Amino acid sequence: AQSVTQLGSHVSVSEGALVLLRCNYSSSVPPYLFWYVQYPNQGLQLLLKYTSAATLVKGINGFEAEFKKSETSFHLTKPSAHMSDAAEYFCAVSGPGYSSASKIIFGSGTRLSIRP
Amino acid sequence: NAGVTQTPKFQVLKTGQSMTLQCAQDMNHNSMYWYRQDPGMGLRLIYYSASEGTTDKGEVPNGYNVSRLNKREFSLRLESAAPSQTSVYFCASASPNEQFFGPGTRLTVL
Repeated sequence: AQSVTQLGSHVSVSEGALVLLRCNYSSSVPPYLFWYVQYPNQGLQLLLKYTSAATLVKGINGFEAEFKKSETSFHLTKPSAHMSDAAEYFCAVSGPGYSSASKIIFGSGTRLSIRP
Repeated sequence: NAGVTQTPKFQVLKTGQSMTLQCAQDMNHNSMYWYRQDPGMGLRLIYYSASEGTTDKGEVPNGYNVSRLNKREFSLRLESAAPSQTSVYFCASASPNEQFFGPGTRLTVL
């Protein structure tokens, strides 16, 4: 069955430091993978998605993620954190039997804090 | 082009009261969804509709009903609200490659 695990419910980094948010997935079919961001009191916004094309995916706001099939991982990175990156980040995988966004299973989320 | 809209934004109910959360999308998507978000649990699917006229249960459907009124609108109804239904509710619609989310409804049941 499809599932996604986000390692670390809270990550804190200094402004200008590397951001690394970890996500591991399990899937019985070639997955679609997503990272969504949620700013306080707002809905979810798509950061980036993997849909079986290039394994290194670039998203908005300088974020990128690499699909590693051998490690079943899809970690989110940004070279230099900015105060405006403080938010909750959700990793998601396409649902059982789906290779699309028609059904998505979300991880539990990682709250990113940025220290001045 | 408003995307996905939800009403109301906030609601407080007493235990046993009923209410309907409204959702509409203007992107001509076939698929629509209702999720609830609780701290530390991510988003959990309540119900979804793959197309007009069809609805299916998700992970946590108990205590909820839905109606896919037409292609644009997908409503979520709480017939007898319980404190366990205090949550933030998100509606979404989907293209094959992406789900688009509304701004959410924050519901408190006393």
